[in-house]
Amino acid sequence: NAGVMQNPRHLVRRRGQEARLRCSPMKGHSHVYWYRQLPEEGLKFMVYLQKENIIDESGMPKERFSAEFPKEGPSILRIQQVVRGDSAAYFCASSYGEGAYEQYFGPGTRLTVT
Amino acid sequence: GENVEQHPSTLSVQEGDSAVIKCTYSDSASNYFPWYKQELGKGPQLIIDIRSNVGEKKDQRIAVTLNKTAKHFSLHITETQPEDSAVYFCAATPSSSASKIIFGSGTRLSIRP
Repeated sequence: NAGVMQNPRHLVRRRGQEARLRCSPMKGHSHVYWYRQLPEEGLKFMVYLQKENIIDESGMPKERFSAEFPKEGPSILRIQQVVRGDSAAYFCASSYGEGAYEQYFGPGTRLTVT
Repeated sequence: GENVEQHPSTLSVQEGDSAVIKCTYSDSASNYFPWYKQELGKGPQLIIDIRSNVGEKKDQRIAVTLNKTAKHFSLHITETQPEDSAVYFCAATPSSSASKIIFGSGTRLSIRP
């Protein structure tokens, strides 16, 4: 039973480029969450999605960041015109149902902006 | 909003001894408190959780206690082993959003041989 999958595991982008991070939830899970972790810090909630719906985006920066979870395929976190401050580990989690109960995390994507 | 504070930030214990990590939360309506273990270069792994209608939960060498009146909860690891070395995060779900997890700042646990 495969866990949460994220790719790529490492991503290097120059300032001004776009970054696309992908997340496939655990089998049977229809709720996806994105978190960001800066070096030596805890995880910060960004956005919660269900299929074709953004439920809570209160942690998303107002500009340059967007997320989607289409009917088919993985969830995508998109960062446009990246800046050095976007360098971080981005983690995706999934859960079976509504509510934060038992969120399971993927291995993360480590974004480096040069 | 919800705020979770975690102490200590680093903890070193002798192998075989016990380790205790403590957390406090601010939202008295929070009702779910998971603990995650994160090893270097990996994603957080859910190791134990507790809901607000329970005061204590145990799973082998790991136990969590919750004091709703004082708004604090703790992780206890007994008979520590080298593989317990990792960063541990406590977390809580605020009443304003049942789907958002608010994490503490983490405790780096080192087990001395």
